[in-house]
Amino acid sequence: QQQVKQSPQSLIVQKGGISIINCAYENTAFDYFPWYQQFPGKGPALLIAIRPDVSEKKEGRFTISFNKSAKQFSLHIMDSQPGDSATYFCAVPDDAGNMLTFGGGTRLMVKP
Amino acid sequence: DSGVTQTPKHLITATGQRVTLRCSPRSGDLSVYWYQQSLDQGLQFLIQYYNGEERAKGNILERFSAQQFPDLHSELNLSSLELGDSALYFCASSVGSSGYLEQFFGPGTRLTVL
Repeated sequence: QQQVKQSPQSLIVQKGGISIINCAYENTAFDYFPWYQQFPGKGPALLIAIRPDVSEKKEGRFTISFNKSAKQFSLHIMDSQPGDSATYFCAVPDDAGNMLTFGGGTRLMVKP
Repeated sequence: DSGVTQTPKHLITATGQRVTLRCSPRSGDLSVYWYQQSLDQGLQFLIQYYNGEERAKGNILERFSAQQFPDLHSELNLSSLELGDSALYFCASSVGSSGYLEQFFGPGTRLTVL
């Protein structure tokens, strides 16, 4: 079964700083790499996703960068805000495209 | 609000018991996914149903079973409960059968086994 390694497990960043979360995977036949955001007491929600016909995708303060040869992708949160404090999960499709394997999660705290 | 509903919100039960968790997908979504989230295991995919048929299976224990009904709501049945089954159980839904595209998660059911 697909292994997805996410790091770090937890991250503390000052307001206005850059948060970087990394994800490494083994193999997938489907080129679609999402990040999900989960606030306490809520279910995860899709934050941003990339199809690796591009190496980077930006939506507002959130950017995914992708390195296909290294089988890694990262989430960058620019100008981090206290409202960004949440748990972030990367995910990778299985070979059939039926399911997602999620990374272990990164608990981000942005200090005011 | 994702449009996915789950009941109950909280469930406290004893070891050896059986419980049923219920999920209603977003209007128009045909796929339902079940996940288990525990502190040390992250989000673990259990099973997917698409339009009433089982589509994909993850690390679902034999004591657990699920089904999707003609009205597309789904139930996850957990039996012979053990302390280690205490976790958050999420249901998610998507329009099509391809689970790798956007999934919409419900608020979860917190199960506590005493």
